Amino acid sequence: SQQGEEDPQALSIQEGENATMNCSYKTSINNLQWYRQNSGRGLVHLILIRSNEREKHSGRLRVTLDTSKKSSSLLITASRAADTASYFCATDTNAGKSTFGDGTTLTVKP
Amino acid sequence: SQTIHQWPATLVQPVGSPLSLECTVEGTSNPNLYWYRQAAGRGLQLLFYSVGIGQISSEVPQNLSASRPQDRQFILSSKKLLLSDSGFYLCAWSADRGDQPQHFGDGTRLSIL
Repeated sequence: SQQGEEDPQALSIQEGENATMNCSYKTSINNLQWYRQNSGRGLVHLILIRSNEREKHSGRLRVTLDTSKKSSSLLITASRAADTASYFCATDTNAGKSTFGDGTTLTVKP
Repeated sequence: SQTIHQWPATLVQPVGSPLSLECTVEGTSNPNLYWYRQAAGRGLQLLFYSVGIGQISSEVPQNLSASRPQDRQFILSSKKLLLSDSGFYLCAWSADRGDQPQHFGDGTRLSIL
């Protein structure tokens, strides 16, 4: 079974709005990572948050981690059409191995 | 800087034919290497990972095998392809220490006819 599960499966918003995606997982983790995938391409790493961290920022991205609830969220502020992609969370329970969820497909309409 | 090369980008093979997909990494040494398969609209399924030359761990029983003949070369193979082997195959590397992100190639779209 999947360690990480993203919610919602699909999200459609207007350009300029914020997009929030959630990830839940089942077992204790060392870290959690968010990746982006454009259609037909490889994944691109966005942010890594460690189990002892609660929030990280990178540009328009904000990631939170709640280990008590075994959940994480990815917020993209002031979205752009170029943010259209699938977003995946990946949990690292054993060093060097990550388990990926099925992703959230984000569509940003211009 | 580090780069990862994966080829071919697309491949169409008949059932029962052999397979060899190659992945190479440049600009780093002793990387962890990974092969994933992604079904349409789904997440990544880890097939194999390697922490060093000749060291391969298989995550799921399947019709595929992997080899690491050189430090920065990872090969995915099959002797006889099945229809169920169709999918999008991704190679990735990460630094050989904890808490490091994975860096992905652009993938190979494999279609079995």
